[in-house]
Amino acid sequence: AQSVTQPDIHITVSEGASLELRCNYSYGATPYLFWYVQSPGQGLQLLLKYFSGDTLVQGIKGFEAEFKRSQSSFNLRKPSVHWSDAAEYFCAVGRGDDKIIFGKGTRLHILP
Amino acid sequence: DGGITQSPKYLFRKEGQNVTLSCEQNLNHDAMYWYRQDPGQGLRLIYYSQIVNDFQKGDIAEGYSVSREKKESFPLTVTSAQKNPTAFYLCASSSLGQGAVEQFFGPGTRLTVL
Repeated sequence: AQSVTQPDIHITVSEGASLELRCNYSYGATPYLFWYVQSPGQGLQLLLKYFSGDTLVQGIKGFEAEFKRSQSSFNLRKPSVHWSDAAEYFCAVGRGDDKIIFGKGTRLHILP
Repeated sequence: DGGITQSPKYLFRKEGQNVTLSCEQNLNHDAMYWYRQDPGQGLRLIYYSQIVNDFQKGDIAEGYSVSREKKESFPLTVTSAQKNPTAFYLCASSSLGQGAVEQFFGPGTRLTVL
């Protein structure tokens, strides 16, 4: 069965520091992978997506993610975080039938 | 301005009452979805619909019902049979594809049972 694991429930980084959020997936075929961000009390916004091709994907707000098939990972990175990046981040995998499986999320805290 | 609207933003219900959450989209998407979000649980699929007058149960459909009479509308009813309805509910829509489509989300409705 398809699944998505985000090992870190909470991550705290200082403003200006680099960020990496981990995501591992389980899927038998070529995965369709997504990262979404959610501010408190709001809906989800798509940061980036991977369908095929270049394994390094650029997204909005300065985020990028790298697909590594050998490690079944799709980690999200940002070189320098801003206080406005504090939010919850969800990794997700498309199931091939228009449905998406979401991880349980990683809440990012930013220290001033 | 295209997007998804959900109303109300906050909803309070007494135990034993049914309540309907509204979801409307003007993105001309064929597929619509309802998710439930609980702290630390991620998003769980309640119901989804890929075409008008047709819908399928998701992973946690018990105690919920939906209708899809119009392409742009997909209301969710939380019935009294739902044992623990207090949660944040998110509606989403997408075009049809084969797993390679993103879903667009509404702002959510927070339901509290008193």
